[in-house]
Amino acid sequence: SQELEQSPQSLIVQEGKNLTINCTSSKTLYGLYWYKQKYGEGLIFLMMLQKGGEEKSHEKITAKLDEKKQQSSLHITASQPSHAGIYLCGADRSSNTGKLIFGQGTTLQVKP
Amino acid sequence: SAVISQKPSRDICQRGTSLTIQCQVDSQVTMMFWYRQQPGQSLTLIATANQGSEATYESGFVIDKFPISRPNLTFSTLTVSNMSPEDSSIYLCSGRPVNEAFFGQGTRLTVV
Repeated sequence: SQELEQSPQSLIVQEGKNLTINCTSSKTLYGLYWYKQKYGEGLIFLMMLQKGGEEKSHEKITAKLDEKKQQSSLHITASQPSHAGIYLCGADRSSNTGKLIFGQGTTLQVKP
Repeated sequence: SAVISQKPSRDICQRGTSLTIQCQVDSQVTMMFWYRQQPGQSLTLIATANQGSEATYESGFVIDKFPISRPNLTFSTLTVSNMSPEDSSIYLCSGRPVNEAFFGQGTRLTVV
């Protein structure tokens, strides 16, 4: 079955630094979703990518999907303590089931 | 976007009892799903909540343990039956408008 690998598993950065989280699949992704989760809470939708080469930005967060649609990255510029949390990538298992599989998550700490 | 509300947000339950979690979406969505997030783990799909018919369960999940209802396009319930400490998890419902996937804030369940 298709799996998503996220890296790194955890990350500690100094406030103001940039960082990148990666999400890789061995198979073509139909849709790629990025979420942020605070400990013990629900998922906050960040961005969704569908097309190869697509890039989206919101505030200081940019997500990209490669041309082959097998790898996505989430980049945070000038990190702030409010960016701390768990970042999860999710992907559509197929083009029409609506079911998502998830990576194992990346825990981000931002030191003031 | 869709706003998804879950109730209760958390509960502590005695083993052997059952808990019903409610999920309300503020707009009609084509698909609704229930996920489980065990401590320190990523999300695992439990089942697809089908409107007006029986839910479709993923491997490892059965209707007797996790009965699901979906009477209309905006509401669903998940019951965790005959609970054991192994059921302690965060349970999340997801609603999917076209090309999007939103999640509720989760129900944090502790079984003692």
